Amino acid sequence: DAGVTQSPTHLIKTRGQQVTLRCSPKSGHDTVSWYQQALGQGPQFIFQYYEEEERQRGNFPDRFSGHQFPNYSSELNVNALLLGDSALYLCASSWQVIPYNEQFFGPGTRLTVL
Amino acid sequence: EDKVVQSPLSLVVHEGDTVTLNCSYEVTNFRSLLWYKQEKKAPTFLFMLTSSGIEKKSGRLSSILDKKELFSILNITATQTGDSAVYLCAVVNAGNNRKLIWGLGTSLAVNP
Repeated sequence: DAGVTQSPTHLIKTRGQQVTLRCSPKSGHDTVSWYQQALGQGPQFIFQYYEEEERQRGNFPDRFSGHQFPNYSSELNVNALLLGDSALYLCASSWQVIPYNEQFFGPGTRLTVL
Repeated sequence: EDKVVQSPLSLVVHEGDTVTLNCSYEVTNFRSLLWYKQEKKAPTFLFMLTSSGIEKKSGRLSSILDKKELFSILNITATQTGDSAVYLCAVVNAGNNRKLIWGLGTSLAVNP
């Protein structure tokens, strides 16, 4: 049983470019949350998808957008990249929105913006 | 503004030592507090605490919550080098969006 998978593992982009990160939830999970974790910081909640809709959103600009597909996988898109977007992007999945104790994290995508 | 503060930020101990990590919070509409261990990348879930005074235990790790004084501690006894990691504390706000508010983490290094 595969856990949460994310791709790519590492990514280097330049300022102004756009990036798409992908996440496949753990088998049996239908909710995907995305987090940004800068070096030395705790994860910051970006948004959460359930039933192909954005259900909750953190304090991130509209440059950050997402999508959830019928198979529950999800994408995070970031437009007009800034240097400050360099971080580890974590995806977490769970069965429906509420049970945080059953939220499993993926290995993350390390994004570097030059 | 909701916040979660962890201390110490960094800790270096020798194998066999016992450590206590602290997490204090100021969160409106507290629902629960979670502890995670983050080694290389993905945080892994350790404990979820919702009630005061009830210790959660898993092997050498244990945790307890004090909802009156608004803090939790995570204890690790007989530490091993494999315990080296960042330990993250997060609090669930039971408001409309049930957000997770994260602390910065405590970086623990266990030396042989």
